[in-house]
Amino acid sequence: DAGITQSPRHKVTETGTPVTLRCHQTENHRYMYWYRQDPGHGLRLIHYSYGVKDTDKGEVSDGYSVSRSKTEDFLLTLESATSSQTSVYFCAISESWGSSPLHFGNGTRLTVT
Amino acid sequence: GQQVMQIPQYQHVQEGEDFTTYCNSSTTLSNIQWYKQRPGGHPVFLIQLVKSGEVKKQKRLTFQFGEAKKNSSLHITATQTTDVGTYFCAGEGYSTLTFGKGTMLLVSP
Repeated sequence: DAGITQSPRHKVTETGTPVTLRCHQTENHRYMYWYRQDPGHGLRLIHYSYGVKDTDKGEVSDGYSVSRSKTEDFLLTLESATSSQTSVYFCAISESWGSSPLHFGNGTRLTVT
Repeated sequence: GQQVMQIPQYQHVQEGEDFTTYCNSSTTLSNIQWYKQRPGGHPVFLIQLVKSGEVKKQKRLTFQFGEAKKNSSLHITATQTTDVGTYFCAGEGYSTLTFGKGTMLLVSP
């Protein structure tokens, strides 16, 4: 498996609190992604990054922000968590855009109460 | 926007039976990828198809890409209990990779 570490693996938080999820890679891949996975919806792209400080929105970006200050780290922040953001969050990396496979981290299970 | 539909959503088979999942895109794809996710795990890349009409095999798994590059299928011959999981297709069009909602496969011994 590719060297991708997500932290924390599990988190329970209250509505309205800020939450930051971290993704760390040791592969030196340029592209990094945050997905959320929910029953009946499959995997949906939240944000992605194509380099340090270069990020863009995915299809479900509302309520989320990201930052990438180093090649190896991609942070996902929920500024004010809501119950609708209860989900499993996966980080993924790829060498190039589109034509190379995604390698996923083990996921973070987030529960917002 | 680009949509990728996958059917069936769920299938339960007896060990030894065959299984097929189908993926259809609303737009022409430049390539299609397939992933497998075991229960409680993360998606793992299986294969990528690029050429029109392409067929690739991995042991008991056969992957096809349609002539029009808008559909694809994954066929498993003689399923085993180790095949249990959710199979996702993901299509690359003119934007980001779009995932289908997946087909969950259960295999009873």
